Amino acid sequence: GAVVSQHPSWVICKSGTSVKIECRSLDFQATTMFWYRQFPKQSLMLMATSNEGSKATYEQGVEKDKFLINHASLTLSTLTVTSAHPEDSSFYICSASPGHRGGQPQHFGDGTRLSIL
Amino acid sequence: GQNIDQPTEMTATEGAIVQINCTYQTSGFNGLFWYQQHAGEAPTFLSYNVLDGLEEKGRFSSFLSRSKGYSYLLLKELQMKDSASYLCAAMDSNYQLIWGAGTKLIIKP
Repeated sequence: GAVVSQHPSWVICKSGTSVKIECRSLDFQATTMFWYRQFPKQSLMLMATSNEGSKATYEQGVEKDKFLINHASLTLSTLTVTSAHPEDSSFYICSASPGHRGGQPQHFGDGTRLSIL
Repeated sequence: GQNIDQPTEMTATEGAIVQINCTYQTSGFNGLFWYQQHAGEAPTFLSYNVLDGLEEKGRFSSFLSRSKGYSYLLLKELQMKDSASYLCAAMDSNYQLIWGAGTKLIIKP
């Protein structure tokens, strides 16, 4: 149980393109989903917390107009990287928890490797 | 401030035992998680501790001391496939996970 699906797994596109990444919880409902970014050989960096039916909560330093998050249902959150540039190239990972209180682990999608040329 | 400390890298021999330590400082505490992350892949959940003591799960065990702000992950009978990064994460009073930078474990034959 607790499967999280993330799509696409790999994106290569030109600078200036907008890229949408989907995150789905397949066998549970997720009121809250999380979006992370990870650069090579570095730790996970939380970008934002996605809340179903309300606005996402962004971490300090993350541009909300550049990284658009929509949590349309209890099983789907999307991250859109708008007008992507080479410095946005990274590994983007989503996670979700069946409950966001103590004891419930976050389960991760397989991640999306984004390369901007 | 909130902080997680764990060693950057460790090396161990196949078949041996290794202990990866983690110390944490958080605003409130709602448990300690360990994740495994292979290179180029997303993290996978290993264990959760909220009470003091040792939780055993097959070859992997996790220990917590709340009074010391300390946890460790113990891996026994090491296999080559255990080569990965191991991430320690503490949950604070707002149920947010505070992540460590990860410990890269290298297993040698």
